[in-house]
Amino acid sequence: KAGVTQTPRYLIKTRGQQVTLSCSPISGHRSVSWYQQTPGQGLQFLFEYFSETQRNKGNFPGRFSGRQFSNSRSEMNVSTLELGDSALYLCASSQRPQETQYFGPGTRLLVL
Amino acid sequence: EDQVTQSPEALRLQEGESSSLNCSYTVSGLRGLFWYRQDPGKGPEFLFTLYSAGEEKEKERLKATLTKKESFLHITAPKPEDSATYLCAVQAGAGGSQGNLIFGKGTKLSVKP
Repeated sequence: KAGVTQTPRYLIKTRGQQVTLSCSPISGHRSVSWYQQTPGQGLQFLFEYFSETQRNKGNFPGRFSGRQFSNSRSEMNVSTLELGDSALYLCASSQRPQETQYFGPGTRLLVL
Repeated sequence: EDQVTQSPEALRLQEGESSSLNCSYTVSGLRGLFWYRQDPGKGPEFLFTLYSAGEEKEKERLKATLTKKESFLHITAPKPEDSATYLCAVQAGAGGSQGNLIFGKGTKLSVKP
């Protein structure tokens, strides 16, 4: 069974731009969560989607948003990028909410 | 506030030297405690889920245990390929962070041959 896939794997953007990251969950998994990982803060929860609905949201500004499609694939968007948004963005999928999450390889975003 | 603290931050072992990693937590109604392994530049790899105090799980040289306040990841006779960052996360069953994973900062393990 293929694992969680994320595209692109690497991105370089400049301040003020926006970015969209994509996540395809494990086949049969309907819940997708997003996390931001930085050396200082570690892994922090962004949001969770299930059946195209956001179930839960972490403590991040409104510049961070996401959505889920009917095939369970998910995208997250960051608008008006700031230097501090440079991080590894990880997507995780589970069959249903509150079940074991399996992570993708991440998208490394560098904001200049 | 839900919180996870891992210790030590870094651990250096000689090959074959057994040790334990600690994860202490405070959470509103623990739904599950998870251990992941993360190699540099990669996403976390799932190792174990523990649900209740007294539960233990094993996989090769790793054994995870859970009490009401902490979890241990015991590494027996480690090999260099066990070198990685080990992450602990809890999932709350109640409260504002219900459902999402709350991670500790991790323990970076280095095993020298």
